[in-house]
Amino acid sequence: DQQVKQNSPSLSVQEGRISILNCDYTNSMFDYFLWYKKYPAEGPTFLISISSIKDKNEDGRFTVFLNKSAKHLSLHIVPSQPGDSAVYFCAASQQGAQKLVFGQGTRLTINP
Amino acid sequence: GAVVSQHPSRVICKSGTSVKIECRSLDFQATTMFWYRQFPKQSLMLMATSNEGSKATYEQGVEKDKFLINHASLTLSTLTVTSAHPEDSSFYICSAREGFEDTQYFGPGTRLTVL
Repeated sequence: DQQVKQNSPSLSVQEGRISILNCDYTNSMFDYFLWYKKYPAEGPTFLISISSIKDKNEDGRFTVFLNKSAKHLSLHIVPSQPGDSAVYFCAASQQGAQKLVFGQGTRLTINP
Repeated sequence: GAVVSQHPSRVICKSGTSVKIECRSLDFQATTMFWYRQFPKQSLMLMATSNEGSKATYEQGVEKDKFLINHASLTLSTLTVTSAHPEDSSFYICSAREGFEDTQYFGPGTRLTVL
């Protein structure tokens, strides 16, 4: 049972434009969501997170939006840069449960 | 801040041998550490959760006698793959969290190849 889903395995965006990565979840008990960026043969790097009491969190070029009614979150990167090319994982957790549940990842490619 | 290291970054071993991977939190005390493995082009699969000073909690399907986890201090956890076989070849990643924070910080990973 895939509780966190990233339905787009890949996304290609032109440099300077906005990248939008999507993530859906099924467990309504999740109350904390995170985005990680991962390069090949490296561990994931934490990017940004959002608590379920918010619907938006912004950090520089990265903004995460949460739509609790739709059980959907998205990561916006603007403007996109070549260094943003990586695999992006969304993850969710339930307060007190300790562990994170990861999506399958979306490979983002930024074209010059 | 929130730096997690792993050692070694890459290891090649013969079938039947045991391999130990270390995970350290460098600038914070990690009350909880996690071990994941990742197969090519797949997501991270949680193997086990370890709290300092107590036994690890393994996910369903993970053999605890094969993947020994020790979390002896607030900055160090080790994963030992015992009697490794080629099917254990994978990318192993640890993560750590400080206190009761929800954010996990990941190590750089260890590529294990069993011949």
